[in-house]
Amino acid sequence: DTAVSQTPKYLVTQMGNDKSIKCEQNLGHDTMYWYKQDSKKFLKIMFSYNNKELIINETVPNRFSPKSPDKAHLNLHINSLELGDSAVYFCASSQDSLGTYEQYFGPGTRLTVT
Amino acid sequence: AQSVTQLDSQVPVFEEAPVELRCNYSSSVSVYLFWYVQYPNQGLQLLLKYLSGSTLVESINGFEAEFNKSQTSFHLRKPSVHISDTAEYFCAVRKLIQGAQKLVFGQGTRLTINP
Repeated sequence: DTAVSQTPKYLVTQMGNDKSIKCEQNLGHDTMYWYKQDSKKFLKIMFSYNNKELIINETVPNRFSPKSPDKAHLNLHINSLELGDSAVYFCASSQDSLGTYEQYFGPGTRLTVT
Repeated sequence: AQSVTQLDSQVPVFEEAPVELRCNYSSSVSVYLFWYVQYPNQGLQLLLKYLSGSTLVESINGFEAEFNKSQTSFHLRKPSVHISDTAEYFCAVRKLIQGAQKLVFGQGTRLTINP
C-alpha cells in the first residue's frame, strides 16, 4: 500500500564511512526528489530525477551521488560521511516535473553521523 | 527569486481555539503555493494548495488558506483546533528551474495544542 518508501528508517554510522539510502515509489510517477531536513527542521531540495535523468542538482557536495536504476527508484549514496551530514533525508515523487502535481513524501531516513 | 517566510517558529494554542499560521512569499512570477503538515516522526503530507481560481482553498480536516496577492501572503487558518493538529506546518512555493519544478519551503511552524 505504501506510496513512497525509504530504507532504512534510521541509520547511525561513523565519520568517514560510506552509506546508501534507498527510495521506491509505486505510484507510477515520472519524477523523484531527495530533500534534506536539518536539525532546525529546514527542508531543502538536493536532487530531482525525471525518467531516470538528473534534472535538478542543487549545491550539494559531490560526496552525495544519486542513482536512479529505473523511474520507480532513486537511491542516495553518500561517501566519506561528515558530522554535518546528520539530518533527516526525505524522498518524494510527483507525476511529472513540470505540472502542478502534488509531491508525495516518504517517511524519511534519520541519518546520525558520530 | 522565490522564497517563503513563515513568521512564527512556534505557535501554542488551547484546544478548540482558532489559529492562524502565517506565510509570506516573494515571487516575480505567478505562484503555486502549498501547505504541508508533518506529524511527529512522519513524512510530509499535503494539506492544501493554491494553483489558480478561487483564492480561498480548504482541506478536508477543517484548515483553510487564502491567497492574497497584494499582501503576498498565504496564511493558514483553522477556526477550532484539536489535539491531533499538533504538528509542524510548512508553507512552500513551487519554483521552476530550467523547466523542472522544485518546492522551496519556509522554515516551518510548530503548532502545539494544549488541552
